[in-house]
Amino acid sequence: EAGVTQFPSHSVIEKGQTVTLRCDPISGHDNLYWYRRVMGKEIKFLLHFVKESKQDESGMPNNRFLAERTGGTYSTLKVQPAELEDSGVYFCASSQAGGSETEAFFGQGTRLTVV
Amino acid sequence: AQSVTQLGSHVSVSEGALVLLRCNYSSSVPPYLFWYVQYPNQGLQLLLKYTSAATLVKGINGFEAEFKKSETSFHLTKPSAHMSDAAEYFCAVNLGTSYGKLTFGQGTILTVHP
Repeated sequence: EAGVTQFPSHSVIEKGQTVTLRCDPISGHDNLYWYRRVMGKEIKFLLHFVKESKQDESGMPNNRFLAERTGGTYSTLKVQPAELEDSGVYFCASSQAGGSETEAFFGQGTRLTVV
Repeated sequence: AQSVTQLGSHVSVSEGALVLLRCNYSSSVPPYLFWYVQYPNQGLQLLLKYTSAATLVKGINGFEAEFKKSETSFHLTKPSAHMSDAAEYFCAVNLGTSYGKLTFGQGTILTVHP
């Protein structure tokens, strides 16, 4: 069974440019999460989808970030325009339908560097 | 306010020695607690989780953790470290949401010396 897959693994862009990160969750997982780890800090929650619906986007930093999950399958996270402080590792995770004890499976992350 | 605190950003042990990684949490509701590990160039992998069934939780690769409500702790231990245990370890908590939103600690990098 394929795990959570993220593309690209690394991205280096200039300030002001646009970047789109993609996450393919485990097949059949309704829940999809995005997290981010800025260098030297803890991993922080960004948002949560249930199928195609955003359930909690309380962690999104600002309106330069846009997440979508059309059709309830893969998800994209777009940063437009990118700023220096957006650099970090972006993790995607997915889990089956269930309660708060349900295990989330994480992807390898996308390392974003804004220069 | 910090909800999960991992004491020690770096821990170094000798091969065969006890591994102890500390995690304390703050929560007004019964928490669900998790330990994840990230090996180099890999994603986060679940080591173990506490869901109130038993206070001593056994995980993969010989790791275990004990939930101590009175101390608000969930420390991770392994009796004998192996070189392959070198990785970054994350303690995480679900603070009562009905889904899997996690709050993470800062992470602890474990180094194992021969």
